[in-house]
Amino acid sequence: DAGITQSPRHKVTETGTPVTLRCHQTENHRYMYWYRQDPGHGLRLIHYSYGVKDTDKGEVSDGYSVSRSKTEDFLLTLESATSSQTSVYFCAISDGAGGTYNEQFFGPGTRLTVL
Amino acid sequence: AQSVTQLGSHVSVSEGALVLLRCNYSSSVPPYLFWYVQYPNQGLQLLLKYTSAATLVKGINGFEAEFKKSETSFHLTKPSAHMSDAAEYFCAVSSGTYKYIFGTGTRLKVLA
Repeated sequence: DAGITQSPRHKVTETGTPVTLRCHQTENHRYMYWYRQDPGHGLRLIHYSYGVKDTDKGEVSDGYSVSRSKTEDFLLTLESATSSQTSVYFCAISDGAGGTYNEQFFGPGTRLTVL
Repeated sequence: AQSVTQLGSHVSVSEGALVLLRCNYSSSVPPYLFWYVQYPNQGLQLLLKYTSAATLVKGINGFEAEFKKSETSFHLTKPSAHMSDAAEYFCAVSSGTYKYIFGTGTRLKVLA
């Protein structure tokens, strides 16, 4: 299994509080991604990173920010959590060496509940 | 713009029966296509991928998929379902960027 960990694995928080989710990889892969998974929507890309300090928005980026100060860590921040951000969040990585068809490896997910 | 449509959010098959999960894509450039599987409370793992080398792609656990450009389809099949195949399956497309578009998923139930 690819070395990807996510922390925390479960979190319950209240509306309006800031939340940071961490993705850590030991594969030295260049690309890292944050997705959210919701019933009926599949996986939707929030943000992705193509290198240290290089990030770009995905299709559902409103209300989220990211940072990548080291190759191995990609942080997702909800500045002021809302109930609509209750979801399961997945981090993924890919090395990009072979072109756009590289497999993405997924972490175990973080279940976030915003009350 | 790219998109993926998975027909049928839930599919039930009997153990030993053929599994057919449908995926249609839309892409303005030659696509790369993927099938992923997700078991309960786990992340996604790759079943197989199409990268233009061959239209019939074989993956893990006995699954295969055929790329049909004329039908813009990439359906996933397995000749004989096992109880352990019960999971959610996602089709994904990528074309020209490092971003993937995932379908909404099909939950497969295998009946004893």
